[in-house]
This record gives sequence, C-alpha cells and structure tokens, in this order.
Amino acid sequence: GENVEQHPSTLSVQEGDSAVIKCTYSDSASNYFPWYKQELGKRPQLIIDIRSNVGEKKDQRIAVTLNKTAKHFSLHITETQPEDSAVYFCAASEAGTALIFGKGTTLSVSS
Amino acid sequence: DTGVSQDPRHKITKRGQNVTFRCDPISEHNRLYWYRQTLGQGPEFLTYFQNEAQLEKSRLLSDRFSAERPKGSFSTLEIQRTEQGDSAMYLCATEPGTGKNEQFFGPGTRLTVL
Repeated sequence: GENVEQHPSTLSVQEGDSAVIKCTYSDSASNYFPWYKQELGKRPQLIIDIRSNVGEKKDQRIAVTLNKTAKHFSLHITETQPEDSAVYFCAASEAGTALIFGKGTTLSVSS
Repeated sequence: DTGVSQDPRHKITKRGQNVTFRCDPISEHNRLYWYRQTLGQGPEFLTYFQNEAQLEKSRLLSDRFSAERPKGSFSTLEIQRTEQGDSAMYLCATEPGTGKNEQFFGPGTRLTVL
C-alpha cells in the first residue's frame, strides 16, 4: 500500500521568510496530492492540491511542485505570516480513494 | 453552515461501553470517509462509502468497529466494547465524487475512553 514520508517534522521561520515542506510517496498509482493545514483543535483544511498531470500549481503565497519520477512533492509558502503557524499535512491517493497522510510538519512563524 | 458536521463533538466513556458517532455530509457529496487521528499524527483511514455502499475498510477497523450509511446521506460509526486505545479524534470527510477529488473534513468527534 501507499506510504507517505514528510519532512521536516518541525520548522521555525521568521516572518517574511519562505518555508518548504517535502513529502515522498511510494505508490506509483497515486495521482492526487493535497495539502492540509490544521490549527490547534480545528479540522484539517485543504489549502492546495495537485494532480499527477501537472508539475506545479500556485495560489497566491503558496505553491506545490510534483516530481513524479522521483515520487516527491513539496509545499512552498512565501512571505510567511504569523497566521501561517499551524500543522501542515501532505497526503497522496489514487483519485477517489482514501488519502494516506504524512505525519505532519509543525510550522512556527515568529514576528 | 453547509459544511460537514459531526456529532457529538466530544465523548467521554468508560472502557467496555459502546459509542456511536454521526457524520452529516455536504449536500450531494456521494463519497464519505472516516479517519482517526491521534496526537501528533496525521489522519489514518478507517473506511469509506460511495453512496450507501461501504467500499473499503482498513486493517485498523477491528471487528469492534462498524459503520453504516443508510440511504447514502448521513453516516454512523459505532465502536463496541471501547478500549483505552480507541481514544482519538474521529474525523469524517466527504468528497463530491464527480471527478473532483477534494475531501472536506468535519470538525471531528474527540473520544476519551477512561
């Protein structure tokens, strides 16, 4: 079955810096890769996703890149703000099936 | 609020008791998933439904767990003879199932087994 590894487990940056979180997956059948943000005590919220027919996707300050050959994908957050502080999860799935999540990255943005 | 809703939000029970949780999906979302999340971990898949059909169960879903989705609308997850290891956040997520794969999560039910 699918296995998703996520690094780093914690990331501390200064406000305005960029943050990068990396994930690898094992199942070449996976073709859908979402990223979720989870604030303390809240539900996971979808922030961006990418499908395997696309190499990069941007939405304002966040972007995701996908390398299918190497089976890894990354989340990039630019111009970080204190409200970006949260736990971020990557996930992988074959579209229409269960998501397999990484273990999460705790991002702290200090002002 | 037209998002996914779950009830109850918190449940405290004694070991050996049965508990049931409910998930109400976003209207017309025909796929519904149950996940379990423990502290410091990502959500782990338990089971999912396409309309009323339960299509997949994970190895995590022991025979003490059962899920239903009558009429393809709301779903229930029941845990019988609860154990302390069942303490976790139980999350429901729904997906349109129309080629759009985004899963939207409910607020979860936090279960504490004493």
